[in-house]
Amino acid sequence: DAGVIQSPRHEVTEMGQEVTLRCKPISGHNSLFWYRQTMMRGLELLIYFNNNVPIDDSGMPEDRFSAKMPNASFSTLKIQPSEPRDSAVYFCASSSPGGRETQYFGPGTRLTVL
Amino acid sequence: AQSVSQHNHHVILSEAASLELGCNYSYGGTVNLFWYVQYPGQHLQLLLKYFSGDPLVKGIKGFEAEFIKSKFSFNLRKPSVQWSDTAEYFCAVSIYNQGGKLIFGQGTELSVKP
Repeated sequence: DAGVIQSPRHEVTEMGQEVTLRCKPISGHNSLFWYRQTMMRGLELLIYFNNNVPIDDSGMPEDRFSAKMPNASFSTLKIQPSEPRDSAVYFCASSSPGGRETQYFGPGTRLTVL
Repeated sequence: AQSVSQHNHHVILSEAASLELGCNYSYGGTVNLFWYVQYPGQHLQLLLKYFSGDPLVKGIKGFEAEFIKSKFSFNLRKPSVQWSDTAEYFCAVSIYNQGGKLIFGQGTELSVKP
């Protein structure tokens, strides 16, 4: 069974460019989470979805960040315009329903904004 | 607000030494408890989890953790570490039946000297 799939694995872009990160959750999981990991701030939850609906986006840093989940098998995290301080590893995780959820993480996207 | 605190930022041990990493959380209700491990350059992997029942849980690679409800603690242990255990360890908590949102500790970096 495939785990959480993220693409691209690495992204290098210039300040001001639009960046789109992609995530495919584990089949059958109905919750999806986006995290950002930096040395300074550790692991931060950006947003999470339950049954494709955004539940909590209080961690999204600012309006430059947006996330969508158009169906149960795909989600995107978009940064527009990107800034050097957005450089981080972005992880996607998914979990199955039922009170005792366990999150499984994808390999992450390492984003570098020059 | 709920929070998770890991006592040690960086732990350095020699091979065969015993390990105990501290984790405390702040929430008075029912919680799910997790330890994740992140090997250098890799994504987070689930080490072990506690939902209910026996407060001593065993995970992969010889790790175990003990839930002490009265102390709001979930400490991670291993009797004899190996060089391959060098990694960062994250304690995390979710509130039972609230969508699986994880609250992470700041992480403990473990370095094992051969």
